[in-house]
Amino acid sequence: KNQVEQSPQSLIILEGKNCTLQCNYTVSPFSNLRWYKQDTGRGPVSLTIMTFSENTKSNGRYTATLDADTKQSSLHITASQLSDSASYICVVSARRGGATNKLIFGTGTLLAVQP
Amino acid sequence: NAGVTQTPKFRVLKTGQSMTLLCAQDMNHEYMYWYRQDPGMGLRLIHYSVGEGTTAKGEVPDGYNVSRLKKQNFLLGLESAAPSQTSVYFCASSYRDQPQHFGDGTRLSIL
Repeated sequence: KNQVEQSPQSLIILEGKNCTLQCNYTVSPFSNLRWYKQDTGRGPVSLTIMTFSENTKSNGRYTATLDADTKQSSLHITASQLSDSASYICVVSARRGGATNKLIFGTGTLLAVQP
Repeated sequence: NAGVTQTPKFRVLKTGQSMTLLCAQDMNHEYMYWYRQDPGMGLRLIHYSVGEGTTAKGEVPDGYNVSRLKKQNFLLGLESAAPSQTSVYFCASSYRDQPQHFGDGTRLSIL
């Protein structure tokens, strides 16, 4: 069964500190892995996308890593800011025959950055 | 630059009523999607479309219908609303299988 599990469920950190969010998946056949940021009351916004051959991708203070062998990904946030408070969603795309891949969404990690 | 626009933003319905949620995108994307988001669960795909005039069922299609008469619009209909359909509904669009652009959601409560 295709699954995406994220940990921790929630996290509180102080402004300026770093943090790492985890994503484990059992999705086959793998196409790519995406991280999204969802602010409260808003739709998800794409942060990074990584294919099988990419093991790291950065977007400003966000750095995603991918280990396709162990089927794990992490999202590292550097020098956190209050605006980083949001839910971070890991999404894995599975290849299938047809016009579009199947996307499997994790339930997200809720991050709160406190001053 | 509007991106993906959803209307309405909020709605309260009574059981058995019908309504249509509208999604409009201005990025000329071929692919459009409807999701629902419930507490403690990941986004679940209701229906999707890979082009004007085509639609397909997603993971949880029962109780919903869709139409894609114009490339920029994707409509989600509830024919007879049920309390189990209380949720936040998100529309998204993409260029093929590239990362999706999401709207800000429609919060729907069914009493």
